[in-house]
Amino acid sequence: KQEVTQIPAALSVPEGENLVLNCSFTDSAIYNLQWFRQDPGKGLTSLLLIQSSQREQTSGRLNASLDKSSGRSTLYIAASQPGDSATYLCAVKGPQGAQKLVFGQGTRLTINP
Amino acid sequence: DVKVTQSSRYLVKRTGEKVFLECVQDMDHENMFWYRQDPGLGLRLIYFSYDVKMKEKGDIPEGYSVSREKKERFSLILESASTNQTSMYLCASSLQGERNTIYFGEGSWLTVV
Repeated sequence: KQEVTQIPAALSVPEGENLVLNCSFTDSAIYNLQWFRQDPGKGLTSLLLIQSSQREQTSGRLNASLDKSSGRSTLYIAASQPGDSATYLCAVKGPQGAQKLVFGQGTRLTINP
Repeated sequence: DVKVTQSSRYLVKRTGEKVFLECVQDMDHENMFWYRQDPGLGLRLIYFSYDVKMKEKGDIPEGYSVSREKKERFSLILESASTNQTSMYLCASSLQGERNTIYFGEGSWLTVV
């Protein structure tokens, strides 16, 4: 059974720093991995989708990498801003059925001005 | 932009009531999903649908049913609400196929008293 882990559960950094969020998964047989952002009390916003054949994806200040063989993904945020404060979740989709995503518990990120 | 709309953001219902949560998407997606999100448990799939009138159980279908009479609309039904169904409910949609992005609505906060 696929399991997705995000460590740490919470992270606090000063504004302007570059930072890395981690996501690990136990079964490397995935179709893709997706990173989401969730603001308090809101739904999930898709940030980046990496297909299993890709190594990384970039959008603005965000860069996500994927290493399927080691079961790891990272989300790099450059020049962090207070508006980046949110919970970041990763999710993998694989042949485990139902086209469903398996989510990590998320990392709650706080950027301090 | 893809839009997934959940008609009710906040609901308070009494134990034993029948509850309907409605979700509409405007991008002609085949797949629609209902998740619930609880602290410490993350997101868990309740049901998903891959076509009109088609449905499959997710990880926690007990106490819930769904209806998909039209492609754009997916309803979650709590036949007899209980306090342990107090939660944030998230609807999502995606195109068919393993490699497509999933899009979420803003969420519905349900409190059962």
